[in-house]
Amino acid sequence: GESVGLHLPTLSVQEGDNSIINCAYSNSASDYFIWYKQESGKGPQFIIDIRSNMDKRQGQRVTVLLNKTVKHLSLQIAATQPGDSAVYFCAEKASGTYKYIFGTGTRLKVLA
Amino acid sequence: GAGVSQSPRYKVAKRGQDVALRCDPISGHVSLFWYQQALGQGPEFLTYFQNEAQLDKSGLPSDRFFAERPEGSVSTLKIQRTQQEDSAVYLCASSLMTGGEQFFGPGTRLTVL
Repeated sequence: GESVGLHLPTLSVQEGDNSIINCAYSNSASDYFIWYKQESGKGPQFIIDIRSNMDKRQGQRVTVLLNKTVKHLSLQIAATQPGDSAVYFCAEKASGTYKYIFGTGTRLKVLA
Repeated sequence: GAGVSQSPRYKVAKRGQDVALRCDPISGHVSLFWYQQALGQGPEFLTYFQNEAQLDKSGLPSDRFFAERPEGSVSTLKIQRTQQEDSAVYLCASSLMTGGEQFFGPGTRLTVL
């Protein structure tokens, strides 16, 4: 299939370990943040979101942490599985705007 | 149910040709977005529709790019006089309401020779 990114930062983790993917966002006015997963040949898929009035949100096997002081977002994946291998993007949006700004992405490789 | 579909999935154009890319959003979805994704990069916002109204076109790179959604459902992104730098994957996404979760289509890979 097509590659969504040839020169992306890569995180390699052993199957079963926890993964942490980081993202620095750019706009201090952003108040809504989303993590997406993109597999080759497919569009991005929503994983989890968080609003700026929260600093942590949990989903199924995933947790997003938001640090507004340093404009940093992280995605934690528990018990990483081979199916988690993909490129992960963070995205931000400011209140009152329609424009979502995506980060450059991180490739996650899960080693068996 | 059906997700967002895009056609064609692949398009090869000679430099200078016009192309039209189609997006069929999920039925009933109010919001529709177009993004451009270059190889190795994240998606870049092009334009946003709320029903048939184009509320933000600030991301369109030049006046060669034009998008429409005349009946508030299907949308077309048109690129006139294509250039090599237009080569990218063009993604469409829709959401049920403004600010809601976006559902992405598979994209159209445009290659300009």
